[in-house]
Amino acid sequence: AQSVSQHNHHVILSEAASLELGCNYSYGGTVNLFWYVQYPGQHLQLLLKYFSGDPLVKGIKGFEAEFIKSKFSFNLRKPSVQWSDTAEYFCAVNVNSGGYQKVTFGTGTKLQVIP
Amino acid sequence: KAGVTQTPRYLIKTRGQQVTLSCSPISGHRSVSWYQQTPGQGLQFLFEYFSETQRNKGNFPGRFSGRQFSNSRSEMNVSTLELGDSALYLCASSLHSGKGREQYFGPGTRLTVT
Repeated sequence: AQSVSQHNHHVILSEAASLELGCNYSYGGTVNLFWYVQYPGQHLQLLLKYFSGDPLVKGIKGFEAEFIKSKFSFNLRKPSVQWSDTAEYFCAVNVNSGGYQKVTFGTGTKLQVIP
Repeated sequence: KAGVTQTPRYLIKTRGQQVTLSCSPISGHRSVSWYQQTPGQGLQFLFEYFSETQRNKGNFPGRFSGRQFSNSRSEMNVSTLELGDSALYLCASSLHSGKGREQYFGPGTRLTVT
């Protein structure tokens, strides 16, 4: 069965610092990849997604992620974080499993940005 | 368009009771998935419904069940509640059930079992 690993459970950064959150998945076939964000008290919402094509994808609020197939990774990056980026971030992988599409989420990374 | 709505938002139940949660997807969306979110476990997939049929199921006991109606609204039922069922239950809708589907999440129902 496929799995998604987010090794950083809790990250604390100062404003203007650069961010990189790791996401690795275990599945040898074709995948669709997503990053979702959950701001305090709000719904989970899509940050960015990768289906095919350019492995560097750009999302909302200055976030980007790079799909590296050889490393089974889809790390999330932002050059300069803001206090408003404080949230929990989830990586998700969509694969074809037994004829059905199955989405598996990582356990999430809590980001705390200190002003 | 209105977003995904879930009712009720909060529930407190006692061990052994049963509970039914409701989800109304975004208009036009035919796929509804349910997830259990707990600290440390992240989101764990419960099941997905598409056009009133269960398309996929996660690794949860049979006490967890669901259904979808012809208007795409979905309900999730948990019978014989256990303390470990306390969690945030999230519903997500998508336009279809195919590859690369983008999901839109509701605010969740916070279930506390005492």
